[in-house]
Amino acid sequence: DGGITQSPKYLFRKEGQNVTLSCEQNLNHDAMYWYRQDPGQGLRLIYYSQIVNDFQKGDIAEGYSVSREKKESFPLTVTSAQKNPTAFYLCASRTGDTSGNTIYFGEGSWLTVV
Amino acid sequence: KNQVEQSPQSLIILEGKNCTLQCNYTVSPFSNLRWYKQDTGRGPVSLTIMTFSENTKSNGRYTATLDADTKQSSLHITASQLSDSASYICVVSAILTGGGNKLTFGTGTQLKVEL
Repeated sequence: DGGITQSPKYLFRKEGQNVTLSCEQNLNHDAMYWYRQDPGQGLRLIYYSQIVNDFQKGDIAEGYSVSREKKESFPLTVTSAQKNPTAFYLCASRTGDTSGNTIYFGEGSWLTVV
Repeated sequence: KNQVEQSPQSLIILEGKNCTLQCNYTVSPFSNLRWYKQDTGRGPVSLTIMTFSENTKSNGRYTATLDADTKQSSLHITASQLSDSASYICVVSAILTGGGNKLTFGTGTQLKVEL
């Protein structure tokens, strides 16, 4: 079945460590996105990529990094520079950046700093 | 500043009853408005998407309305079921200068359906 797969579902990070969240899609979508969701807040955009080998910062990119070496993959690295990384992270994708296209979300990844 | 406000913040209804969730936005220039359903700990799932010219759109027991003049949208759920218990998120898309669009997410309405 086509869809977006995020892994791991749950991840624990020690302070000072970098961790990478995986996002893979087999929908042949051009655009991919990473969002962060905190309790009581709307989703906030971290990074997005409209095409392979290109990505742009979102509203809260500090402390995060991404790569887009393949169309189907858009991994997110949470670096030690991110001071408050505990959150629910959502990856999404859609065909191009046309406003009317449906955005598909992955199942999310819970990151907790211990 | 583009904003999306949803109300109520949370809602409890009995199974079989109807309910209406509200979304007010100040996003401009407006492109489209989407409603998503998000179960706890899972990714949001699209319910409807409406453009400027659309006033209403249905998806099964879900009916969304849009008033682009007053910048308001509602999501009406008919004959609620226990499985409707979730967070419902309103998302508004703005057209960016130079192309592309930007999404602004509401904080969601947490709906609980009880027996």
